[in-house]
Amino acid sequence: EMQLVESGGGLVKPGESRRLSCVASGLTLSLYSMNWVRQAPGKGLEWISYISPSSSTIHYADSVEGRFTISRDNGKNSLYLQMNSLRDEDTAVYYCARPYSGMDVWGQGTTVIVSS
Amino acid sequence: EIVMTQSPATLSLSPGERATLSCRASQSVGTNLAWYQQKPGQAPRLIISGASTRATGIPARFSGSGSETVFTLTISSLQSEDFAVYYCQQYYKWPPLTFGGGTKVEIK
Repeated sequence: EMQLVESGGGLVKPGESRRLSCVASGLTLSLYSMNWVRQAPGKGLEWISYISPSSSTIHYADSVEGRFTISRDNGKNSLYLQMNSLRDEDTAVYYCARPYSGMDVWGQGTTVIVSS
Repeated sequence: EIVMTQSPATLSLSPGERATLSCRASQSVGTNLAWYQQKPGQAPRLIISGASTRATGIPARFSGSGSETVFTLTISSLQSEDFAVYYCQQYYKWPPLTFGGGTKVEIK
């Protein structure tokens, strides 16, 4: 069974940093592009970042460009999101998801709360 | 950026009724359109891709149609487990990948 498991969420103060991880099981992450998607409390889904299998192509949403960095370690079957200069509006559940005709495999999400 | 607009925001129906959800794109996305179901506290689940292809394990009561800018998700006979929020998403022209604001299907 293909599974993605995110971790690294928690309570952080505005301006601080946090690194999220997404570990895959049942699928070889190196074969696939990956996305990060977030969902603020009571709100809809927002795509925030994409990375190609070899990391040669990376995209960000305007809302996180310059503050967040996506990366991957294919040897560890893992995906990461380094989040710097966090703001109140970054409070959300963060999901990693595999893009395949939409996004066909999702993790359960990890919650980041930015509050002083 | 392609803007996705879903309507209605909330659909109040009884079990056994037919649900019709709409999604409009601000410009053509061809059939590069996915639908997701999300229940409280859970991750989204892909139910339709390519505008009309059911994902693995999705019951036949779910169907998708449309192309270009107008799309519909139909649930032919609502079951108790279908009450949830549904999102559409285009993957034709990106970045950014964009989602609609969602339609909540609630029990009447």
